[in-house]
Amino acid sequence: QSVLTQPPSASGTPGQRVTISCSGSSPGGYSISWYQQFPGAAPKLLIYNYSQRPSGVPDRFSGSKSGTSVSLAISGLQSEDEADYYCSVWDDSLNGPVFGGGTKLTVL
Amino acid sequence: EVQLVESGGGLVKPGGSLRLSCAASGFTFSSYRINWVRQAPGKGLEWVSSISKTSSYIYYADSVKGRFTVSRDNAKNSLYLQMNSLRAEDTAVYFCAMGSTNYDFFDIWGQGTMVTVSS
Repeated sequence: QSVLTQPPSASGTPGQRVTISCSGSSPGGYSISWYQQFPGAAPKLLIYNYSQRPSGVPDRFSGSKSGTSVSLAISGLQSEDEADYYCSVWDDSLNGPVFGGGTKLTVL
Repeated sequence: EVQLVESGGGLVKPGGSLRLSCAASGFTFSSYRINWVRQAPGKGLEWVSSISKTSSYIYYADSVKGRFTVSRDNAKNSLYLQMNSLRAEDTAVYFCAMGSTNYDFFDIWGQGTMVTVSS
C-alpha cells in the first residue's frame, strides 16, 4: 500500500512563494493530485497529473515532479490561501486513493 | 449544476447502525464510479469505499470491511453507505466524491454529513 508523507505545517508571508512536499511511492505508476480544504468545507481538486490545473484554479498554484520529488508551489501567497493541503495517489491494492497526512498552510 | 448532496448523518451509540445517502444531480450518475471518503475531527482524509458504475465492482478500506456496505440506485441517482457495528473511531464527516474525467482523482465532492458515534 502506498504511503504519502507531507510536512504537517508550512507558512509564508503575503506575496511570498511557498512549496509543500509530498514524498512516497506510487507502485502503480499513478500520478499525484493535490486538494485544498478550508475549515468546514469539502476538499477541492487543485492539481491533477502532477501539474495540471482544473479550470478555475489560479495559475499561482503549480505542481511539479522532479525525479522522486513531488511538490505543490503557491506563488504570490494570499491570505485566502490559508487552508489545509493534501496530496493523493491512487493505489491499485486498495482500489482507492491514499491521501497524505495534510499540510496546514498559515499566511503570516 | 453538477452536485452531490449527502444526508443521513447523526448521533448513534457504539454498536449501532446508520445509513448515509448521496444524491447526485446535473450529470449522468450511472456513468461514473463513485466513492465515500471520511475525515475524523481534526484529522486527514481517508478513503472508505468505492462502487463501479453498475455495482459490479465494490471495494472497501480494511478499517470498514465487513461492517459497511456501499450500494447505488442509478434510477434514483443515489449512492448509499450502510454502516453497522459502528465504533467511536468511525466518528467523522463522510463525503461522497467522484472523478468526472478519471477515476484516480476526485473533482466533484459533496458537502459532507457528520456521523458521531458516542454513548
